[in-house]
Amino acid sequence: DSGVTQTPKHLITATGQRVTLRCSPRSGDLSVYWYQQSLDQGLQFLIQYYNGEERAKGNILERFSAQQFPDLHSELNLSSLELGDSALYFCASSVGRGQFGNTIYFGEGSWLTVV
Amino acid sequence: KNQVEQSPQSLIILEGKNCTLQCNYTVSPFSNLRWYKQDTGRGPVSLTIMTFSENTKSNGRYTATLDADTKQSSLHITASQLSDSASYICVVSALNRDDKIIFGKGTRLHILP
Repeated sequence: DSGVTQTPKHLITATGQRVTLRCSPRSGDLSVYWYQQSLDQGLQFLIQYYNGEERAKGNILERFSAQQFPDLHSELNLSSLELGDSALYFCASSVGRGQFGNTIYFGEGSWLTVV
Repeated sequence: KNQVEQSPQSLIILEGKNCTLQCNYTVSPFSNLRWYKQDTGRGPVSLTIMTFSENTKSNGRYTATLDADTKQSSLHITASQLSDSASYICVVSALNRDDKIIFGKGTRLHILP
């Protein structure tokens, strides 16, 4: 158990809908990261927040957004869902601000299926 | 273009044997390279983190090497166990660019009894 909690574990929704994925980082971790893993693309970095502020943005679509709340939990909002958005979405956390030298702990992921 | 290529795509070995997984990258400027183990349907777990100045790092039966000149890394697994069956993912980050985190597609390792 990494200490990173993600909900829901599984989610099935229709195209065009909007969903919210939630993440609680490990106790004491200030950084939260979101990743997408699909069968054909592998893992891709989406976005990072540090202590409530957006710190780095990767391959995140405009239809997707995220935020980190004062209690450090984070949400990833996915809207206007398409079939291609079906994937495993991981949240991860680390103590420090940057990726350099920080061990990043992953949650168990949220399986999203768009039908 | 920043890329991370892993080989082989999949590997089957007998329990107790050693194996080596490869990772070649073109990410520049280089910051650090990580190896993760990912069990099916689970989150990746960090095995090693190496920076430019590090040539080798071990974590139990896992030993990672890095040649920053040739932009190659390897992960050597010694005396494999059934629990080593997983995907092993190489991840390279660019210096001062925390948005440039490039994942390899992984090597799927199967350990047979």
